[in-house]
Amino acid sequence: SQTIHQWPATLVQPVGSPLSLECTVEGTSNPNLYWYRQAAGRGLQLLFYSVGIGQISSEVPQNLSASRPQDRQFILSSKKLLLSDSGFYLCVWTANTEAFFGQGTRLTVV
Amino acid sequence: TQLLEQSPQFLSIQEGENLTVYCNSSSVFSSLQWYRQEPGEGPVLLVTVVTGGEVKKLKRLTFQFGDARKDSSLHITAAQPGDTGLYLCAGATGNQFYFGTGTSLTVIP
Repeated sequence: SQTIHQWPATLVQPVGSPLSLECTVEGTSNPNLYWYRQAAGRGLQLLFYSVGIGQISSEVPQNLSASRPQDRQFILSSKKLLLSDSGFYLCVWTANTEAFFGQGTRLTVV
Repeated sequence: TQLLEQSPQFLSIQEGENLTVYCNSSSVFSSLQWYRQEPGEGPVLLVTVVTGGEVKKLKRLTFQFGDARKDSSLHITAAQPGDTGLYLCAGATGNQFYFGTGTSLTVIP
């Protein structure tokens, strides 16, 4: 079956510390993968999307970066977190007209 | 860049009232979805529309895809407290998948 895993579920990090969020997909090959960030009560803002290994497109210039070292692995990173990086991060995989969501990561930068 | 703009952003209504949420864009989408999201969880798919002018009904919810496939609407009849949540539209175009800005709905008993 097709599944998507995202971790960690919650994270509290100090300003200036690094970040690594990981997302893996099972049951499919060559998926389109996305990282979104969501502010409280608002829609999802597309941060990065990837159509294949090593192929990353950035939608919003910012303090974050993404990498796709393997076909079914998508990583969101930062070298130095800012307070404004706090939010709810979702990894998403799309197949045809349907989207599959990771569990989400609640990141609080303090 | 937010390709999909939703309105209204916030909506608070009494139980039994009707409401409509709009999702607008200047871009054409091959398909458009509507999701409902609870706090701290991922969105849950409500419906997918793929044909311009398509209308789909899901109990008290009616979804319409614009003729030009650039916009959509969600109409809820006789809203109930259980309808409370964040409603998101999402559109697929090429390899990109965009979500709307969201509409936070509160239905007061």
